[in-house]
Amino acid sequence: GAVVSQHPSRVICKSGTSVKIECRSLDFQATTMFWYRQFPKQSLMLMATSNEGSKATYEQGVEKDKFLINHASLTLSTLTVTSAHPEDSSFYICSARDRGGQETQYFGPGTRLLVL
Amino acid sequence: AQSVAQPEDQVNVAEGNPLTVKCTYSVSGNPYLFWYVQYPNRGLQFLLKYITGDNLVKGSYGFEAEFNKSQTSFHLKKPSALVSDSALYFCAVRDPGYSTLTFGKGTMLLVSP
Repeated sequence: GAVVSQHPSRVICKSGTSVKIECRSLDFQATTMFWYRQFPKQSLMLMATSNEGSKATYEQGVEKDKFLINHASLTLSTLTVTSAHPEDSSFYICSARDRGGQETQYFGPGTRLLVL
Repeated sequence: AQSVAQPEDQVNVAEGNPLTVKCTYSVSGNPYLFWYVQYPNRGLQFLLKYITGDNLVKGSYGFEAEFNKSQTSFHLKKPSALVSDSALYFCAVRDPGYSTLTFGKGTMLLVSP
């Protein structure tokens, strides 16, 4: 099946710093990518939807200035957590939908962010 | 609007026995339905989907699901469970008129030896 990679898999940072997470579709082109946040033992919460070459659409309650999303190409999207605080600690998962119209979303392995 | 319900927080089954993980949905149009599995500290792995066609869908690792339009259900099944099937399972739905998936809360499957 299609592969989505995320980097880094785990990051620990100090409060106030910014963290960038990369999401790549390795063997397919993704016009649409999604960023989710998952709290322990809970379902995925959609943060934003990004389309290649256009601004991301953020879900209600998600601060666009804090969670910067850039979908620079058909295979790469980045999420930058700016001025991270301990409450931003979470598991962030990206997802990409195959441009080929198969409707399936494929997910990355996730990034564990810990803000001290 | 679209929504998904997974009524069981946890399903326990003995290895070798059949398993069922339940999912019901609500959409305004014809649904796109998906099952994903998540192992600890990992992203979601795609298992199977229903878009159109045969109601019985076969997927990865011996899993299958049956689309039942009258009952608005899409239960995940496997004839013989393995201990390695123990994981968190998510059902998801997308109304073709929407761009995003809606996930259920997840069901933890525990398969005992």
